[in-house]
Amino acid sequence: DGGITQSPKYLFRKEGQNVTLSCEQNLNHDAMYWYRQDPGQGLRLIYYSQIVNDFQKGDIAEGYSVSREKKESFPLTVTSAQKNPTAFYLCASREGSGQPQHFGDGTRLSIL
Amino acid sequence: KQEVTQIPAALSVPEGENLVLNCSFTDSAIYNLQWFRQDPGKGLTSLLLIQSSQREQTSGRLNASLDKSSGRSTLYIAASQPGDSATYLCAVYGSNTGKLIFGQGTTLQVKP
Repeated sequence: DGGITQSPKYLFRKEGQNVTLSCEQNLNHDAMYWYRQDPGQGLRLIYYSQIVNDFQKGDIAEGYSVSREKKESFPLTVTSAQKNPTAFYLCASREGSGQPQHFGDGTRLSIL
Repeated sequence: KQEVTQIPAALSVPEGENLVLNCSFTDSAIYNLQWFRQDPGKGLTSLLLIQSSQREQTSGRLNASLDKSSGRSTLYIAASQPGDSATYLCAVYGSNTGKLIFGQGTTLQVKP
């Protein structure tokens, strides 16, 4: 079945540690996105990539980094510079302009 | 700056009732609008995508309308069921890059 796979489902970070969230899609979609969801707030865009080897900052990119070396993969690294990383992280993809965006099941990140 | 608002924040209805969820946006220059459903602790499930040139879109018991000039969209759910209980999110595409701007959602409870 085609879809978007995010792993792990739960992740814990120690102070000063970088952690990487995985997002893989087998939908052959060109564009991929990372959002952050906090309680009581809407989803906010962190980074997005419209094509392999290219990505752009979203509204809240500080403290995060991404790479897009393969079409099917768009990992997100939460660096130690991100002072409030506790949130639900959602990855999405879409085939192209005018097409709907589809989401994975999310990764919940907490601080130890 | 585009802002998306969903009212009410929460709604409780008896089973079988028809209901309308509201979404408003401040900038009428949108590309498309998408409605999602989110179950607790889960990712987003795409319900309907309305192209900017469309007035409405239907899928089963769901009907979404779009009035760009007034900055409004509605999601109509017919004959509601307990399984419809979830948070419903509205999001607008402000450009063809696929960047979504989300409302904070309406949490629906359908009582048996």
